[in-house]
Amino acid sequence: GENVEQHPSTLSVQEGDSAVIKCTYSDSASNYFPWYKQELGKRPQLIIDIRSNVGEKKDQRIAVTLNKTAKHFSLHITETQPEDSAVYFCAASPIRMDSSYKLIFGSGTRLLVRP
Amino acid sequence: NAGVTQTPKFQVLKTGQSMTLQCAQDMNHNSMYWYRQDPGMGLRLIYYSASEGTTDKGEVPNGYNVSRLNKREFSLRLESAAPSQTSVYFCASSYTGGTEAFFGQGTRLTVV
Repeated sequence: GENVEQHPSTLSVQEGDSAVIKCTYSDSASNYFPWYKQELGKRPQLIIDIRSNVGEKKDQRIAVTLNKTAKHFSLHITETQPEDSAVYFCAASPIRMDSSYKLIFGSGTRLLVRP
Repeated sequence: NAGVTQTPKFQVLKTGQSMTLQCAQDMNHNSMYWYRQDPGMGLRLIYYSASEGTTDKGEVPNGYNVSRLNKREFSLRLESAAPSQTSVYFCASSYTGGTEAFFGQGTRLTVV
């Protein structure tokens, strides 16, 4: 089955700097790659996702890149702000014939943005 | 429109007790999921249901059972709780494959 590895486990950056979180996946059938943000004590919420027919996607200060050949994808946050401090999870999933998907998560990255 | 609602929010069980975690969604989603979240281990999939009437094992199904009662509701049962099942449990739902999964607020379960 799918296995997703995420690095680093913790990341501390100065406000205004960029942050990069990297994930690798094992199942070549995976074709959907979302990123979730979880603030302390809250539920995970989707911030951006990408599908295998796209190499890069941007949404304001957030971007995700995908390299299907190497089986890795990354989250890039530019101009970081204190409110970006949270735990970020990557995930990967093959989309099955019945349209369900087994969404497998990485172990998370705790991002701290220092004012 | 409440989204995904889980009950209870907190629960303490003694080893060997049983309980059912309830989850309901009002977004007309087809797929529903149960995850557990432990420190440093991310979200691990316990069971999922592609559609009403179907369920499948995830990464860590041992010690759990599920029921997809109807399109809205997906319950998780612990038949004989163990301390290793102490965790935060999240239910989630999505319309179909490759679309956003919405999470409930979580259930913090402690087994003593």
